[in-house]
Amino acid sequence: ELKVEQNPLFLSMQEGKNYTIYCNYSTTSDRLYWYRQDPGKSLESLFVLLSNGAVKQEGRLMASLDTKARLSTLHITAAVHDLSATYFCAVVLSSGTYKYIFGTGTRLKVLA
Amino acid sequence: DSGVTQTPKHLITATGQRVTLRCSPRSGDLSVYWYQQSLDQGLQFLIQYYNGEERAKGNILERFSAQQFPDLHSELNLSSLELGDSALYFCASSVGSSGDQETQYFGPGTRLLVL
Repeated sequence: ELKVEQNPLFLSMQEGKNYTIYCNYSTTSDRLYWYRQDPGKSLESLFVLLSNGAVKQEGRLMASLDTKARLSTLHITAAVHDLSATYFCAVVLSSGTYKYIFGTGTRLKVLA
Repeated sequence: DSGVTQTPKHLITATGQRVTLRCSPRSGDLSVYWYQQSLDQGLQFLIQYYNGEERAKGNILERFSAQQFPDLHSELNLSSLELGDSALYFCASSVGSSGDQETQYFGPGTRLLVL
């Protein structure tokens, strides 16, 4: 069974600091996504990671994928208050029965 | 604004009833996805359509059904509603269904409350 775990679940950090959110999954996956959700709002796609070693960066966020370790990371550089949101990873397993499983989410609060 | 529209924004109904949620994708997008978000279950993928055909099915209950029409808009039908169906339902669209064409753009959601 495909399981997706994110940690930490909650993260409070000071502006200007760096931190990493981890997304672990239990079986081989075809691809991995990162999303952002602001409180009371819809989801926003951040990154699509398609292969081992894939790294994508947008502003202060950088995502990477290690398919051998079944691990993706979302690294936050020099956090700013505007990055406060909940971040979800989602893993797709498309061999056999299609499965698209979300992690539990990491609620990030950046303190000014 | 993602370009994806969903109607209605809010829906209050009673147990046992049937409702239809509507989604219009971004212009040019061929794929539509439906998701459910609730406090109990978190985010769940329900179903995906690509150019009118069902592409992938997730944790969609038998009481739920969806379709994508020739103009590419999609409808999610929820029937025999239960209290546990109360949730936020999102649709998303993407250009295609593989690789970077899978970048999804989400609508604002429909909040369903079943009383």
